[in-house]
Amino acid sequence: RKEVEQDPGPFNVPEGATVAFNCTYSNSASQSFFWYRQDCRKEPKLLMSVYSSGNEDGRFTAQLNRASQYISLLIRDSKLSDSATYLCVVNKDGSGTASKLTFGTGTRLQVTL
Amino acid sequence: DGGITQSPKYLFRKEGQNVTLSCEQNLNHDAMYWYRQDPGQGLRLIYYSQIVNDFQKGDIAEGYSVSREKKESFPLTVTSAQKNPTAFYLCASSLTSGNQPQHFGDGTRLSIL
Repeated sequence: RKEVEQDPGPFNVPEGATVAFNCTYSNSASQSFFWYRQDCRKEPKLLMSVYSSGNEDGRFTAQLNRASQYISLLIRDSKLSDSATYLCVVNKDGSGTASKLTFGTGTRLQVTL
Repeated sequence: DGGITQSPKYLFRKEGQNVTLSCEQNLNHDAMYWYRQDPGQGLRLIYYSQIVNDFQKGDIAEGYSVSREKKESFPLTVTSAQKNPTAFYLCASSLTSGNQPQHFGDGTRLSIL
């Protein structure tokens, strides 16, 4: 089993739609979870951290399910500018002393008119 | 403006040549990282450093070398021993306290001539 697994997509959705991505991770000791956004041929940029209680940032909501070892990202009212690849990122161990992250291969989102 | 600067943006390597990629940060982060990204794959960790004058091998260190003589700088050398160097190279940095996200430079694309 891969350390971090994501559906590669692409998810093609119309503008204004709600779309959700899931990601599963294999290491139950993982303590930190993040979603990054990566545009074509650019560097990944931090979208949001994922907290145990779930968190929201505008149109974006992230949730963590430790029992089932998955995290999710919900995007409401999709915009054309949301088109990108979304990377699920999990830290390798629970030590917290250094940030050793495992990156998923990403889920591609294409928002259309 | 705080950030991470990678140079050059594009680099071409001849057979048998070593090349060095530059990474500088002014975020006052202790930890720095080098990743490689190939099409359709997640980021893979080459080397990381948690403190000046100390660095550790990542998952794919063979054919690469690094140094960390200053907190701000973490150059990566791609040696002639790396037989498949064509990739997108990303440098990142983070705080080491707690479970912190990493912040990326805008990358260097390396190709073989």
